[in-house]
Amino acid sequence: EVQLVESGGGLVQPGRSLRLSCTASGFKFDLYAMSWFRQAPGKGLEWVGFLRSKIYGGTAQYAASVTGRFTISRDDSKSIAYLQLDSLKTDDTAVYYCAREGNTIAPDYWGQGTLVTVSS
Amino acid sequence: DIQMTQSPSSLSASVGDRVTITCRASQGIRNDLAWYQQKPGKAPKRLIYASSSLQSGVPSRFSGSGSGTEFTLTISSLQPEDFATYYCLKYNNYVTFGGGTKVEIK
Repeated sequence: EVQLVESGGGLVQPGRSLRLSCTASGFKFDLYAMSWFRQAPGKGLEWVGFLRSKIYGGTAQYAASVTGRFTISRDDSKSIAYLQLDSLKTDDTAVYYCAREGNTIAPDYWGQGTLVTVSS
Repeated sequence: DIQMTQSPSSLSASVGDRVTITCRASQGIRNDLAWYQQKPGKAPKRLIYASSSLQSGVPSRFSGSGSGTEFTLTISSLQPEDFATYYCLKYNNYVTFGGGTKVEIK
């Protein structure tokens, strides 16, 4: 059974950093791209970015709103994808979801989400 | 960047109604379009991928169509568990969501 579990969310001050983790199980992690999405309170879904699998070059793409501040990485040996959030703003407050794929395949499996609150 | 315009933003319907939701792309996206259902406090659930392929386990009352710039999600006979928010998503090389459609009980 495919499972994705996010962790690492919490309350953080503006300008600070946070790293989210997405622990995967039930599939061969290194074969798939991994994506991150977010949803601000009461708002729609927003794509954050994805990281291709190494067989597709291992490159990342990001939404314009987070380019230069957020970085996606992966540890295929541990089946974990990471989202590094730097220079956080209050507008980054959201539930953050990881999902499998998003590159050549529409994201199919999603985690339950982790809440990031940016506030002083 | 490709923009996805989803309409309507909300609708009221009764159980048994036929419901259609539309997404328009600002330029052609072949069939790189998926539809998701989201209920409050839950992660999105994929219903349709590649414009018209039904996700395994999703009831056949859900269907998708379209190619290029115009896409539709149809629920042939709305059921109580279908009241939710629906999103289209353009994928492949860059990802963009439509703004969502909230389907409410009439």
